[in-house]
Amino acid sequence: GDSVTQMEGPVTLSEEAFLTINCTYTATGYPSLFWYVQYPGEGLQLLLKATKADDKGSNKGFEATYRKETTSFHLEKGSVQVSDSAVYFCALSDQGYGGATNKLIFGTGTLLAVQP
Amino acid sequence: ETGVTQTPRHLVMGMTNKKSLKCEQHLGHNAMYWYKQSAKKPLELMFVYSLEERVENNSVPSRFSPECPNSSHLFLHLHTLQPEDSALYLCASSQDAEWWGTGSDEQYFGPGTRLTVT
Repeated sequence: GDSVTQMEGPVTLSEEAFLTINCTYTATGYPSLFWYVQYPGEGLQLLLKATKADDKGSNKGFEATYRKETTSFHLEKGSVQVSDSAVYFCALSDQGYGGATNKLIFGTGTLLAVQP
Repeated sequence: ETGVTQTPRHLVMGMTNKKSLKCEQHLGHNAMYWYKQSAKKPLELMFVYSLEERVENNSVPSRFSPECPNSSHLFLHLHTLQPEDSALYLCASSQDAEWWGTGSDEQYFGPGTRLTVT
């Protein structure tokens, strides 16, 4: 079945460092890809998404490009801040029943800790 | 209230107790989900409701019983839980495609209920 693999954390960086969190996927169809972020004590929030190959999702300085040839959707940010400390989840959408209900398949999450 | 809300935020219960988790979405969505989040494991999809009908039950033990009385409310009834059921339970909603229109594959999450079974 479809699956998502992302790098294990924690990832510890100094403020203003460059961030990459790797994500690869396996899917039989053409899923949409997502990055969600979970701040301490909160639920998951959609950070960015891409719906087809070569699309680039971006938000709040974060970017990820849908690479079909390498089945990857790596998350990057040029200069991280302390406020970016959170758990980041890569996910893909698996078209559900009759094309109606979408299932999201998540990776295990990567904890990012940014130090001042 | 906006978005997706969940109550209670924290719950401690014994193995013989019966309790319920509540989720409410204020987004006008037509699909709702229960997920279980345990440490170092991917989010586990438990139940999916679309247009108030359960469309997925991911081999969840019968000690978890969902209820969706309308498209805005979702409950998870708990009874005779085990310590390994301790986790963060997340509710989410989305707007699924219906025959007259298009949907979205984005899901919106609540803050979760931290459940501890003693």
